[in-house]
Order: sequence, then C-alpha cells, then structure tokens
Amino acid sequence: DAGVTQSPTHLIKTRGQQVTLRCSPKSGHDTVSWYQQALGQGPQFIFQYYEEEERQRGNFPDRFSGHQFPNYSSELNVNALLLGDSALYLCASSRWGGTEAFFGQGTRLTVV
Amino acid sequence: GIQVEQSPPDLILQEGANSTLRCNFSDSVNNLQWFHQNPWGQLINLFYIPSGTKQNGRLSATTVATERYSLLYISSSQTTDSGVYFCAVGETSGSRLTFGEGTQLTVNP
Repeated sequence: DAGVTQSPTHLIKTRGQQVTLRCSPKSGHDTVSWYQQALGQGPQFIFQYYEEEERQRGNFPDRFSGHQFPNYSSELNVNALLLGDSALYLCASSRWGGTEAFFGQGTRLTVV
Repeated sequence: GIQVEQSPPDLILQEGANSTLRCNFSDSVNNLQWFHQNPWGQLINLFYIPSGTKQNGRLSATTVATERYSLLYISSSQTTDSGVYFCAVGETSGSRLTFGEGTQLTVNP
C-alpha cells in the first residue's frame, strides 16, 4: 500500500501564474480533501471531493479550484498566484462517511 | 465553526521525561485525530480517538467527549519525538478536519 502520494514535492512559481498540484489517495479510499498550511500554523481546510464533486469548501477564494477523477485521484488548481499563497499544501484521503484521514507528504509551493 | 485550542504551544524536555499535551474543542465532535508532523512536513497518524482511551507503545491518548477535551501522553520521551503535534477534530465522521495551532515539542539529549 503506497499510502497517499502527492506531486510535485516542491514548486516555485511567479506571482500571477497558475499551478496544479496532484494527489493519489490511499488504496480503498474514495474521498480527497485539500489543506493549506502556512508556516507556523495548523493546516486549513480548502475543499473536499467525493464522486467527482466538491462536497465541502472552506473559506478560500474562487482562485482555488479542484477536480476529482474516476480513479479517485485529485488535482488542486490555483490561479493568479499571490505571494500569500506560499505554503505547504496537504492532501488527505479517507472513505466517504468513514473515520480516519491519512495525509500525503505535501507539496511545498513558493511564490516569488 | 468549531474552535480547537492546544496547549502548551511550546514544550522543551530532557530525554526520558514524560509529557502531557492538551486539546480543547468548542463543540461536539465525531472525529478526533492526533498527528505528529515531522521536519519534512508529513503528518503522521498517531491516534483516531473521538472518545475513550488508546495506547500505542510509549504514547497514549484519552478523549473525554462530554467535557470537550483530549490528552496525548508521551512517556520516556526520545529525541525522535521532537516535532509538532496537532489535534484535529471533525463534527461528523468523514467531514472536514479543523486543526489546532499545534504543540512544538523539543526533546534534548
């Protein structure tokens, strides 16, 4: 079992650009959630996908969007990058209506 | 939304000491997890414990749901226990997790 995998691990982008982060859930899981973790803070919920639909959304602007594919993998897209978008982006997988969530190793995004 | 408070924010120990980390939450929860974040950012699952008591080696956790708090105990601490410990709660099973600000633990040799 490979667990939750995220790619890339590190990324540097310029203000105004767009970025796509990817996540493959743990085997047997069908729900993917994305979190943003700024330096020195706890992770903040962005949104959750199940059955290829966004099911819950946190307090993030529309520049943050996502997608889930039929194989349950997911993408997080961020448009018009701001310096403040620099953070560790974490993906979590779980079973819908289930219990424990498991996290990937994260993608560290730096916006310059 | 639900609020999560962790204490203490920082903790420095000598190797071999014991410690207790606390997590208070503002509303009823059906999901509570403890994580250890390693220096590379990975969140390692320690416990899924919406209620009751669990033990895993030198670590144990207790959640008293009716009083809205959870405790994580670390006994005979080792330098490899260093890192940030997060408590995260969900109002329903499988729902979004709300994290506390974490406890930064440093274990010195």
